[in-house]
Amino acid sequence: AQSVTQLDSHVSVSEGTPVLLRCNYSSSYSPSLFWYVQHPNKGLQLLLKYTSAATLVKGINGFEAEFKKSETSFHLTKPSAHMSDAAEYFCVVTRRAGGFKTIFGAGTRLFVKA
Amino acid sequence: DAGVIQSPRHEVTEMGQEVTLRCKPISGHDYLFWYRQTMMRGLELLIYFNNNVPIDDSGMPEDRFSAKMPNASFSTLKIQPSEPRDSAVYFCASSHLDRGNSPLHFGNGTRLTVT
Repeated sequence: AQSVTQLDSHVSVSEGTPVLLRCNYSSSYSPSLFWYVQHPNKGLQLLLKYTSAATLVKGINGFEAEFKKSETSFHLTKPSAHMSDAAEYFCVVTRRAGGFKTIFGAGTRLFVKA
Repeated sequence: DAGVIQSPRHEVTEMGQEVTLRCKPISGHDYLFWYRQTMMRGLELLIYFNNNVPIDDSGMPEDRFSAKMPNASFSTLKIQPSEPRDSAVYFCASSHLDRGNSPLHFGNGTRLTVT
């Protein structure tokens, strides 16, 4: 069975400080992992995806995530938060074998203080 | 690439009325998904299509909900009759199956309010 757990429902950081959004997954085989961002009144936008080519994945807007199989984690980081990063972030695992299945985490709302 | 296009962006209707939400997927994508997002339940998959054929509609809440995909470039989600508890943001997403990790591409959603 597959599952995704986002460990924090809310994260608050100051502008210019690092961002860490945590995600743990459970999958019985090699997962496809993604991070999406949702700004208010918008659809979800892909930030980055894990392709198994490299464990450290770089995405848009300075975000990156590291796939750690031993820890079953795929945490999202950014060295320096910007006010425009305030949004909701979703960790997602996808399976295609036996039918398309996408599991969304519950989301982490990121607040950025000036 | 215009992305996934949904219409209308906002819909306000009275209880009991029929509501039709529309979606145009990205050209060439062979999967289409309908999701519902609420504060209480988060994102819920309602139904998805592969090559215009409904594959899994187990997320459709009731018989009041129906979805069609008459061709590769158009899909509708219909609620008849609508109820206040159907108020939510409805998202359409599309994807292309390949050997790699294909993400979902989301539209901007339709915010439905049923009074």
